Amino acid sequence: GIQVEQSPPDLILQEGANSTLRCNFSDSVNNLQWFHQNPWGQLINLFYIPSGTKQNGRLSATTVATERYSLLYISSSQTTDSGVYFCAVSFSGNTPLVFGKGTRLSVIA
Amino acid sequence: DAGITQSPRHKVTETGTPVTLRCHQTENHRYMYWYRQDPGHGLRLIHYSYGVKDTDKGEVSDGYSVSRSKTEDFLLTLESATSSQTSVYFCAISESNYGYTFGSGTRLTVV
Repeated sequence: GIQVEQSPPDLILQEGANSTLRCNFSDSVNNLQWFHQNPWGQLINLFYIPSGTKQNGRLSATTVATERYSLLYISSSQTTDSGVYFCAVSFSGNTPLVFGKGTRLSVIA
Repeated sequence: DAGITQSPRHKVTETGTPVTLRCHQTENHRYMYWYRQDPGHGLRLIHYSYGVKDTDKGEVSDGYSVSRSKTEDFLLTLESATSSQTSVYFCAISESNYGYTFGSGTRLTVV
């Protein structure tokens, strides 16, 4: 099955810093999503981005499907950005997502 | 999140007892999923459904069964709970080519 690797596994930032999280996957995919799990455990969908670039406020994501990676950019980080960020992929919108192990982000004031 | 609820939120049960977790949606989405989350493993798929009475196994399906008798409900049953099934269980819903929406999770402890 598809393998999903996320890096770095852990990241500590000062408030206001920028960061880039990376997701590599082993096969061609037609579905890629980024999620944020907050410290209370809630999973929030950030982006549905099988290809191209999207932006939502301070967050943006880019997927280069031909090279099998995706990047999540967080600018001007805030303490509320803390939590775990997951990348998940699948072959199509009809097949279940396979998750990476996540990047744990801690933003310090 | 609005549109999807899981129950119970927390449960402690004894080894060997049956346990059923419920996922309820009001979005009329076709696809429903059960994942478990464990430290060091991320989220792993247990079972999923692509319609009423249509289900399939995921990566970690042993010891679990599911049922979907109507669009809005997807039940996960542990026939005989074991300590290795202590975990946080998440339900998710989706329509084809759209993002997943997750429930708030059920924390299950098997003692």
